[in-house]
Amino acid sequence: QKEVEQNSGPLSVPEGAIASLNCTYSDRVSQSFFWYRQYSGKSPELIMSIYSNGDKEDGRFTAQLNKASQYVSLLIRDSQPSDSATYLCAVNVGNTGKLIFGQGTTLQVKP
Amino acid sequence: GAVVSQHPSWVICKSGTSVKIECRSLDFQATTMFWYRQFPKQSLMLMATSNEGSKATYEQGVEKDKFLINHASLTLSTLTVTSAHPEDSSFYICSSPPTLRADTQYFGPGTRLTVL
Repeated sequence: QKEVEQNSGPLSVPEGAIASLNCTYSDRVSQSFFWYRQYSGKSPELIMSIYSNGDKEDGRFTAQLNKASQYVSLLIRDSQPSDSATYLCAVNVGNTGKLIFGQGTTLQVKP
Repeated sequence: GAVVSQHPSWVICKSGTSVKIECRSLDFQATTMFWYRQFPKQSLMLMATSNEGSKATYEQGVEKDKFLINHASLTLSTLTVTSAHPEDSSFYICSSPPTLRADTQYFGPGTRLTVL
């Protein structure tokens, strides 16, 4: 069983819509969760981090965490074509500092 | 924010040769650096953890004698792919937490290795 799972997509949404990206993880002791955005040929860029159950908002982005369900999601409001990228969910492994990444979800925002 | 650089950004080499990739922290001291590999259409896979002044720790399945890691200073870690083969062609990315207790990581821009 993969430790961090994401739907690879592609997820296609029209410009201005809400994009919803989902991620599940298997390690119950994980405490830190991250969403990275990766454009083709580039390295990942941190978008959001979340540590507590509930929602965390930053501009057009909202991360949601449910530790009981081992589920973390990212909502992107008012999606723009420039949001088209691969979104990687990452989970911190214990206190090692290591990150385990999901396979990524490709988002396509169509004008 | 914290800045991590990598050099070179891309490299093409012949099979059997060795390639060195440098990862530098530009505005902070990095006691720990992580090396990832990403094959096309796949996610990042952690290869090893580089610790300043000590031996690197490798993830299961990663050959330590093939992927040599040196972290001789607080701002520089190097990954050397020895006797490279076409299957080693990949996108190599380093990252580092900006402080000792930070659990976020800042990624270098990556190095595209192509082995002919």
